[in-house]
Amino acid sequence: SQTIHQWPATLVQPVGSPLSLECTVEGTSNPNLYWYRQAAGRGLQLLFYSVGIGQISSEVPQNLSASRPQDRQFILSSKKLLLSDSGFYLCAWSGKTARVYEQYFGPGTRLTVT
Amino acid sequence: GENVEQHPSTLSVQEGDSAVIKCTYSDSASNYFPWYKQELGKRPQLIIDIRSNVGEKKDQRIAVTLNKTAKHFSLHITETQPEDSAVYFCAASTNTGFQKLVFGTGTRLLVSP
Repeated sequence: SQTIHQWPATLVQPVGSPLSLECTVEGTSNPNLYWYRQAAGRGLQLLFYSVGIGQISSEVPQNLSASRPQDRQFILSSKKLLLSDSGFYLCAWSGKTARVYEQYFGPGTRLTVT
Repeated sequence: GENVEQHPSTLSVQEGDSAVIKCTYSDSASNYFPWYKQELGKRPQLIIDIRSNVGEKKDQRIAVTLNKTAKHFSLHITETQPEDSAVYFCAASTNTGFQKLVFGTGTRLLVSP
């Protein structure tokens, strides 16, 4: 069965520091991958998605970037964090065929920028 | 682009009552409608979904109905239990090969014993 991992689970970073969040998927190949952010008490905002290695699409212009160096690895980065970057970051995956069509979320990383 | 509206934002019911959450979408090309349940501090969990070729789907105490003409879909929970308390999100997607979900703003359901 498929499993999605994210780390770290929680992170406290000062303003202006860099960021690297990692997401990996097991049990499937060539998945679609997604990064979402959820501010406290709010909905889900799609940040980036990827249909394959090196293929990244950005939904919201901001100081974040994403990369997909391997088929089942998705990384969210920032060179300098802002206070507004605080939130719950969720990675998700979906398949490319009707059999694995649904989108499933990882456990998330709770980021607090101080 | 697609826009999904969700109502109500909060819903309080007594244990054993039914709960209904409604969503409307704007893009008539949308063909996939999942519902997610998110407990406090946890990841959203897919609980049920429906595709545009059916009007209703049921899984034990939860059901989803879809009205393509009116462009709205609803989540129905019967015989609610305290463990149903959570935030529920609806979503819509227009593609089958690549699934870009547009989420509603969420409904906080509180089931009181």
